[in-house]
Amino acid sequence: KQEVTQIPAALSVPEGENLVLNCSFTDSAIYNLQWFRQDPGKGLTSLLLIQSSQREQTSGRLNASLDKSSGRSTLYIAASQPGDSATYLCAVRGSYIPTFGRGTSLIVHP
Amino acid sequence: GAGVSQSPSNKVTEKGKDVELRCDPISGHTALYWYRQSLGQGLEFLIYFQGNSAPDKSGLPSDRFSAERTGGSVSTLTIQRTQQEDSAVYLCASSAGGLTDTQYFGPGTRLTVL
Repeated sequence: KQEVTQIPAALSVPEGENLVLNCSFTDSAIYNLQWFRQDPGKGLTSLLLIQSSQREQTSGRLNASLDKSSGRSTLYIAASQPGDSATYLCAVRGSYIPTFGRGTSLIVHP
Repeated sequence: GAGVSQSPSNKVTEKGKDVELRCDPISGHTALYWYRQSLGQGLEFLIYFQGNSAPDKSGLPSDRFSAERTGGSVSTLTIQRTQQEDSAVYLCASSAGGLTDTQYFGPGTRLTVL
């Protein structure tokens, strides 16, 4: 059974810092990995989707990497801003039903 | 274009009552998922629909929970005889249907059982 772990569970940083959020998974037989953002009281917003054949994806200040063999993905946020404050979740898809981590709660303070 | 929509956004009910939650997926999306997110918990998979195939109900926590998808589009999640532990945010997601496709989530329905 696939297990997904996100570390740290919570993070508080001053504005302007570069951040790394971690996602690890136990079964490397995956099709893709997706990073989401969830604001309080809202649904999930897709940030980046990395297919199993890819090593990384970039969107603006976000960069996600995937190392399938070691079962790890990282989400790098450059020059963090208060508007980045949210919970970040990763989801691993080894079948039609993805497995989600519990998320990293990020607070960026001015 | 329109995203995934869910209704109602909030639902307060009394223990023992039945509730229906609705999900409108993105037009043309063949895959539809229901998840539950309890306070401080991760996303819990409930049920998955793919086209006209029989749904994967392996995540439904009890026989009080059921879901249907009419015409391959709108889906309704029904919870019978609600219990306080059913209080959670119920999220719906849709995708184009392939294993490599992005999931798009609705805003969720917050259910409170008194």
